[in-house]
Amino acid sequence: RKEVEQDPGPFNVPEGATVAFNCTYSNSASQSFFWYRQDCRKEPKLLMSVYSSGNEDGRFTAQLNRASQYISLLIRDSKLSDSATYLCVVKRNMLTFGGGTRLMVKP
Amino acid sequence: NAGVMQNPRHLVRRRGQEARLRCSPMKGHSHVYWYRQLPEEGLKFMVYLQKENIIDESGMPKERFSAEFPKEGPSILRIQQVVRGDSAAYFCASSPPREQGADDTQYFGPGTRLTVL
Repeated sequence: RKEVEQDPGPFNVPEGATVAFNCTYSNSASQSFFWYRQDCRKEPKLLMSVYSSGNEDGRFTAQLNRASQYISLLIRDSKLSDSATYLCVVKRNMLTFGGGTRLMVKP
Repeated sequence: NAGVMQNPRHLVRRRGQEARLRCSPMKGHSHVYWYRQLPEEGLKFMVYLQKENIIDESGMPKERFSAEFPKEGPSILRIQQVVRGDSAAYFCASSPPREQGADDTQYFGPGTRLTVL
């Protein structure tokens, strides 16, 4: 079993849609949690950290449930520029990446 | 403040040759991490280094791969006698010194795409 599991997608959504990504992790000793965004053939870029209290950054909301070992990302009012692969990342000592969920936002 | 720099951006090698990938961390960052991303897969941790020290190399293949971060100059990931399965994107990330309460976010370089013919 992979340490960080994500639905690979792709998620094909129209502009303006709300889309949710989920992620589960297996190691309860994980300390920090993140969502990264990776565009095709580019490096991963930090989108946001994830906290148990939930956090929001504009159209993006992230949530962590430590008891269920579950992380989510909600994107509201999708834009064409949101098309990318979204990587769920957990940190114990090193960063452990999920395989990514691909999002395609269509006009 | 320049970001993490990697070179070359693209590297082509024939089977059996050596590949040297270089990474210059962000200014003020003393921690360097190397990750490998195989085609259509997620990033996998390889090695974590500080200046002149390997801190964690649990993700490094046992043979042919080595990494260093000398006192002066960039970090180097070296792959000897490359094989086709080494073809991948190799990303370097850096983070600042781990002082209490400091931001330890890892910032990624643009990667080196290695193609082994």
